Amino acid sequence: DTEVTQTPKHLVMGMTNKKSLKCEQHMGHRAMYWYKQKAKKPPELMFVYSYEKLSINESVPSRFSPECPNSSLLNLHLHALQPEDSALYLCASSQDARIYEQYFGPGTRLTVT
Amino acid sequence: AQKVTQAQTEISVVEKEDVTLDCVYETRDTTYYLFWYKQPPSGELVFLIRRNSFDEQNEISGRYSWNFQKSTSSFNFTITASQVVDSAVYFCALSEAWEEYGNKLVFGAGTILRVKS
Repeated sequence: DTEVTQTPKHLVMGMTNKKSLKCEQHMGHRAMYWYKQKAKKPPELMFVYSYEKLSINESVPSRFSPECPNSSLLNLHLHALQPEDSALYLCASSQDARIYEQYFGPGTRLTVT
Repeated sequence: AQKVTQAQTEISVVEKEDVTLDCVYETRDTTYYLFWYKQPPSGELVFLIRRNSFDEQNEISGRYSWNFQKSTSSFNFTITASQVVDSAVYFCALSEAWEEYGNKLVFGAGTILRVKS
């Protein structure tokens, strides 16, 4: 079962709101990722968690705050976002953070108004 | 720096035609991995294949085949007898070493494939 689930599928939030995106996998993978994808662009890596520890932060603004409560769950907390943060947010997981292929969830389409 | 180039922005074919998506990469690493992903309109990226730098054997999976040539730094993807369901954006990606913390994927810009009935 190569399934990564993400909730919600769609999210509309105001610039003063606080919301969270959730990602879950039950494949026993030890690396999880957040990507941001703008329309007609490739995914851009935001964060990597390896064995539940943040291992890569691609200089993402602090209004995005990741959290990995356990090896199966990954959250992305959002606060004081800007309209330009509107995008598809993809979660992925892999066996570990090295060369293994990444399996992606369906994404959360975020609109910031 | 590592780089992946997908020169074809968009390709349109008629159903049952064969189509090849090009991917050219640049890396200084001797050990690296190449990937192809498919992104249908629903948005989810679907893993298609991983190939390591030491294995230049071509691979075939049903209507899909991949041609890896280190001499030209290319990893091309061919769909035989294309179908409407193949319509999607296809991304080629390269794994990049990130110090001791593991690898990250460097994606190409993607190729939009439209298959018309």
